[in-house]
Amino acid sequence: NAGVTQTPKFQVLKTGQSMTLQCAQDMNHNSMYWYRQDPGMGLRLIYYSASEGTTDKGEVPNGYNVSRLNKREFSLRLESAAPSQTSVYFCASSGAVNTGELFFGEGSRLTVL
Amino acid sequence: ELKVEQNPLFLSMQEGKNYTIYCNYSTTSDRLYWYRQDPGKSLESLFVLLSNGAVKQEGRLMASLDTKARLSTLHITAAVHDLSATYFCAVRRTGANSKLTFGKGITLSVRP
Repeated sequence: NAGVTQTPKFQVLKTGQSMTLQCAQDMNHNSMYWYRQDPGMGLRLIYYSASEGTTDKGEVPNGYNVSRLNKREFSLRLESAAPSQTSVYFCASSGAVNTGELFFGEGSRLTVL
Repeated sequence: ELKVEQNPLFLSMQEGKNYTIYCNYSTTSDRLYWYRQDPGKSLESLFVLLSNGAVKQEGRLMASLDTKARLSTLHITAAVHDLSATYFCAVRRTGANSKLTFGKGITLSVRP
């Protein structure tokens, strides 16, 4: 029952370093999402992929890039990390055509010093 | 721009009492979702409300949707400690291709 798997779970970066957050789902879902969660801000959409081969910007895309590698995998890259990107990142997927319900990974806690 | 507002943002509840929390949104929507998050954990889906007048119940929680008022309520019956968590509502704007907008969440704390 893996569902949505994110790696790494924790990461500390220095300002200017790059890194990639990996996300994989085994539910054969078409749509995948990256959100960030900050205290008092709820979840804000960074990028999403409605289907394999497509990606679109969400509410807060600046400083991030994404790749929909195949139907299962959706990665989020920080090219030059900044302290403002310190956050908890959640990957989610959705395949329920009728409900559009999202299923979330466990989260990746990123600290940028 | 779709805005989703939840209130109150924090609610201290007494065990055994009933409470209602609210989710308002700013534009037409065809889906509303409630999620629960425990501290340091992921989000767990509670309810999916698909139409005006929809009501869903699970244990001590009951969610309803009024699309004309652009309002969803989450009613808590006889609060217990296990219900302490943060509750998010999320809304999908009509035609938005499954992209959800989340509220800021309501943190519920149940005290003896």
